[in-house]
Amino acid sequence: GDSVTQMEGPVTLSEEAFLTINCTYTATGYPSLFWYVQYPGEGLQLLLKATKADDKGSNKGFEATYRKETTSFHLEKGSVQVSDSAVYFCALSVRFQKLVFGTGTRLLVSP
Amino acid sequence: NAGVTQTPKFRVLKTGQSMTLLCAQDMNHEYMYWYRQDPGMGLRLIHYSVGEGTTAKGEVPDGYNVSRLKKQNFLLGLESAAPSQTSVYFCASRGERGNTEAFFGQGTRLTVV
Repeated sequence: GDSVTQMEGPVTLSEEAFLTINCTYTATGYPSLFWYVQYPGEGLQLLLKATKADDKGSNKGFEATYRKETTSFHLEKGSVQVSDSAVYFCALSVRFQKLVFGTGTRLLVSP
Repeated sequence: NAGVTQTPKFRVLKTGQSMTLLCAQDMNHEYMYWYRQDPGMGLRLIHYSVGEGTTAKGEVPDGYNVSRLKKQNFLLGLESAAPSQTSVYFCASRGERGNTEAFFGQGTRLTVV
């Protein structure tokens, strides 16, 4: 079935460090890919998305590129801030409009 | 500009009690979802709906029932609550196209004792 695998956390970084959170997927079809972010006590919010191979989604300094050949959608940011501390979820959507999420990766950024 | 609204936000149930969680969206979205979030498990799909009057099972449907009598509302029912259903429940909705953004409610924290 369709699934998403994310790196386990927490990921602990100092402010201004480079961030990578790995995400790979399995899908029986041609999925759209998403990154969602969850701040403490809140629901999920869309961070960025990509709908076809080689598309790059970007928002708030975060980027991810849809790599069909490696079935990956890794999240990157060049310089993290304390305010980026949150849980990040990779997700895909294919067939019957279901959204399938990974287990989430907690990011902790210290000053 | 309410988006997706879940009620209640918190609830404590005794084992065997029943309750209904309400999700309401004002964006005229076709698709609605119920997820549960547990530590280390991410979000797991319970049930979903692709339109008014339709429902379908997700990944973990046992012990839950749902109804979508009106397009804007998606109800999640627990007929006989069990401690294993202690979780945070999220509702989400999205438009008809497969690449559209899903909007989430604030969540319902349910504890079954």
